[in-house]
Amino acid sequence: AQSVTQLGSHVSVSEGALVLLRCNYSSSVPPYLFWYVQYPNQGLQLLLKYTTGATLVKGINGFEAEFKKSETSFHLTKPSAHMSDAAEYFCAVSDLYSSASKIIFGSGTRLSIRP
Amino acid sequence: DAGITQSPRYKITETGRQVTLMCHQTWSHSYMFWYRQDLGHGLRLIYYSAAADITDKGEVPDGYVVSRSKTENFPLTLESATRSQTSVYFCASSEAGTAQYEQYFGPGTRLTVT
Repeated sequence: AQSVTQLGSHVSVSEGALVLLRCNYSSSVPPYLFWYVQYPNQGLQLLLKYTTGATLVKGINGFEAEFKKSETSFHLTKPSAHMSDAAEYFCAVSDLYSSASKIIFGSGTRLSIRP
Repeated sequence: DAGITQSPRYKITETGRQVTLMCHQTWSHSYMFWYRQDLGHGLRLIYYSAAADITDKGEVPDGYVVSRSKTENFPLTLESATRSQTSVYFCASSEAGTAQYEQYFGPGTRLTVT
């Protein structure tokens, strides 16, 4: 069975500092991997996704994530945090070509930005 | 307005009452989903629908009923609300049913069952 683990329910960084949100997954078959962002009082919005091909995936708002098969990880990074990045971030996994009903979401990481 | 909307945004109800959460999308997406979001659990799928009149259970369907008579609407009904159903409910839609297609989420309904 698939699973996804987000390390750290809350991460706090200073404005301008590196953002690193950790995600590890387990899957017996090649995975699809996703990062979603949820701003306060809003629904989730897709940040980026890995399906096949290049392992470094670039998303919106300057975020990127790297699929590392050997480490079963898909960590989200941004070189320089901005106040507007404060939100909840969810990592998600599904099997390659599987139904959207099989997407498994992590429990989320709340990102706070210190001025 | 174009997009996906949910109503009401906030709802307080009593144990045992029936409550219906509404979801409407204007894209004519074939797939629609209902999730609940609970602290420490992320999002869990309640029900989904591949098209009008086609629905299927997700991970946590017990206590919920859905219908989809029109492509654009996907209401979720709690037939007899319980305190354990206090949660934030999100509706989503997708152009197709495979995971590679992006899901577009509504703003959510915060439901409190007293």
